[in-house]
Amino acid sequence: GAVVSQHPSRVICKSGTSVKIECRSLDFQATTMFWYRQFPKQSLMLMATSNEGSKATYEQGVEKDKFLINHASLTLSTLTVTSAHPEDSSFYICSALSGTSGRRGAEDTQYFGPGTRLTVL
Amino acid sequence: QKEVEQNSGPLSVPEGAIASLNCTYSDRGSQSFFWYRQYSGKSPELIMSIYSNGDKEDGRFTAQLNKASQYVSLLIRDSQPSDSATYLCAVTTSGTYKYIFGTGTRLKVLA
Repeated sequence: GAVVSQHPSRVICKSGTSVKIECRSLDFQATTMFWYRQFPKQSLMLMATSNEGSKATYEQGVEKDKFLINHASLTLSTLTVTSAHPEDSSFYICSALSGTSGRRGAEDTQYFGPGTRLTVL
Repeated sequence: QKEVEQNSGPLSVPEGAIASLNCTYSDRGSQSFFWYRQYSGKSPELIMSIYSNGDKEDGRFTAQLNKASQYVSLLIRDSQPSDSATYLCAVTTSGTYKYIFGTGTRLKVLA
């Protein structure tokens, strides 16, 4: 159980284009999902918290107009990188919050998707 | 600032030995603790979670939590070359479900 998928797994695009990444919880409902990015040999950096039916909460320093997040259902969150530039090239990983007791609280566990490797030329 | 610290390694152990990975955290209000394994180029996968002081065992893995010392560790018994990866410690604090990640410890199990 607790499987999270991401699509696409890899994308190469030209500078200036927009890229959409989908994150799905396959066997559970997730009111909350998270988006991270990871540069080589570094730890995960939280970009934003995605809440179903409401606006995402962005971490300090993350441009909300550049990284658009939509959490339209309990199983799907999308991250759109708008007007991508080479410096946006990174490994983007989503996670979905799965409560162990059906309620949301400190004991909830994040399950990670397989990640999307974005390369902007 | 709330911090989670791990030794970056690499920690090298021979095959069959016990690997001991350590993590300290600064926020005494921390409530939930997680260990993830991340292979190069892949996303993190959950190994164990622990919420109460003491030991928690799952197969070859044992997590140990000492809230008084603000310390959580992961022991891997009978280490295998396939255990070679980066191990991430993650902590949540009261009132939030965001993780604070350590920088990870790179483990090498030598055949």
